Amino acid sequence: AQSVTQLGSHVSVSEGALVLLRCNYSSSVPPYLFWYVQYPNQGLQLLLKYTTGATLVKGINGFEAEFKKSETSFHLTKPSAHMSDAAEYFCAVSDRDGGSQGNLIFGKGTKLSVKP
Amino acid sequence: DAGVIQSPRHEVTEMGQEVTLRCKPISGHNSLFWYRQTMMRGLELLIYFNNNVPIDDSGMPEDRFSAKMPNASFSTLKIQPSEPRDSAVYFCASSLLQGAVTDTQYFGPGTRLTVL
Repeated sequence: AQSVTQLGSHVSVSEGALVLLRCNYSSSVPPYLFWYVQYPNQGLQLLLKYTTGATLVKGINGFEAEFKKSETSFHLTKPSAHMSDAAEYFCAVSDRDGGSQGNLIFGKGTKLSVKP
Repeated sequence: DAGVIQSPRHEVTEMGQEVTLRCKPISGHNSLFWYRQTMMRGLELLIYFNNNVPIDDSGMPEDRFSAKMPNASFSTLKIQPSEPRDSAVYFCASSLLQGAVTDTQYFGPGTRLTVL
């Protein structure tokens, strides 16, 4: 069965500092991988996704993530944090062979705080 | 361009009462998903529909929960009778392509349900 582990339920960085949010997955086949962001009192919004091709994926708001098969990881990064990045971030995996028919398995989420 | 619309945004009810949550997906989208988010369990898929047909309801916690999609522009999630442990934020999401694992899911703002 697929699973997603996000290391650290809370991450705090200073404005301008590097953001690194960790995600590891478990899947019997190479998965599709997603990062979603949830701002307070809002629904989830897609940041980026990896399906095929280049393993370094660029998303919205300056975020990017790299798929590393050998490490079963898909960590999210941003070179310089902005106050507006404060939100909760969710990593998700979907089954490549289509067995889940579009089902996403979400991690527990990492809440990012940005200090001035 | 309207996104996914959910109503009500907040619902407070007493144990034993019936609760109905509503969702209007993005026009033209063929798949609709219902999720539940709690602190303890994170984000869980309850059920999803393709072309108004329920495909996978294995996430529905018990018989007290039911979901319908009578047409392409409307879905309901009903809890009867409600219990305090049903308190959570319920999200509806829709996507364009039927069963496409790579397709982006667009989330509504959620309904915060409190059962006293």
